[in-house]
Amino acid sequence: GIQVEQSPPDLILQEGANSTLRCNFSDSVNNLQWFHQNPWGQLINLFYIPSGTKQNGRLSATTVATERYSLLYISSSQTTDSGVYFCGVNFGNEKLTFGTGTRLTIIP
Amino acid sequence: NAGVTQTPKFQVLKTGQSMTLQCAQDMNHEYMSWYRQDPGMGLRLIHYSVGAGITDQGEVPNGYNVSRSTTEDFPLRLLSAAPSQTSVYFCASRRGGGEQFFGPGTRLTVL
Repeated sequence: GIQVEQSPPDLILQEGANSTLRCNFSDSVNNLQWFHQNPWGQLINLFYIPSGTKQNGRLSATTVATERYSLLYISSSQTTDSGVYFCGVNFGNEKLTFGTGTRLTIIP
Repeated sequence: NAGVTQTPKFQVLKTGQSMTLQCAQDMNHEYMSWYRQDPGMGLRLIHYSVGAGITDQGEVPNGYNVSRSTTEDFPLRLLSAAPSQTSVYFCASRRGGGEQFFGPGTRLTVL
């Protein structure tokens, strides 16, 4: 069946470090989004990126649709980057399917 | 624009009670969805709608009803609450093929 897998499940880093989060998906993608769930539970849109590369400040994302993966890069991590990062994938139907997330903890 | 709004923010129910979680959006999005989030389980789709008058089931629809009488509103009804429905519920909306936006969530506890 259709699957979205995220890795690693947990990541603990020192403030200032860089990180790469991965999202693998099992079928052709119509669109893909990255979200950050902050410690208060809010789901915040980071990138809408069905293909190509986008950058927003210290964050950037790349989706290689032909190889069925997307990467989220966080540079110079700050404690406010802590939380859970989800990718959501639409495979050409009405639904957005989510991975189980990567929990990122940034230590001061 | 208020975006996607949800009420209430918190709710405690007793087993067997019924209630409705409200969701509204002011972006004229056709697609609306309800998810539940449980620890370690990510976001699981309960029900979704592709337009007024059209709804369909997601992964975990049992125990929930929805209706979509207007583009703006998509309420989720718990018919007879059970402790297994203790969760955080998120409503979301998007245009077809477009970016999805989430509401702030409702934390529900069933005793």
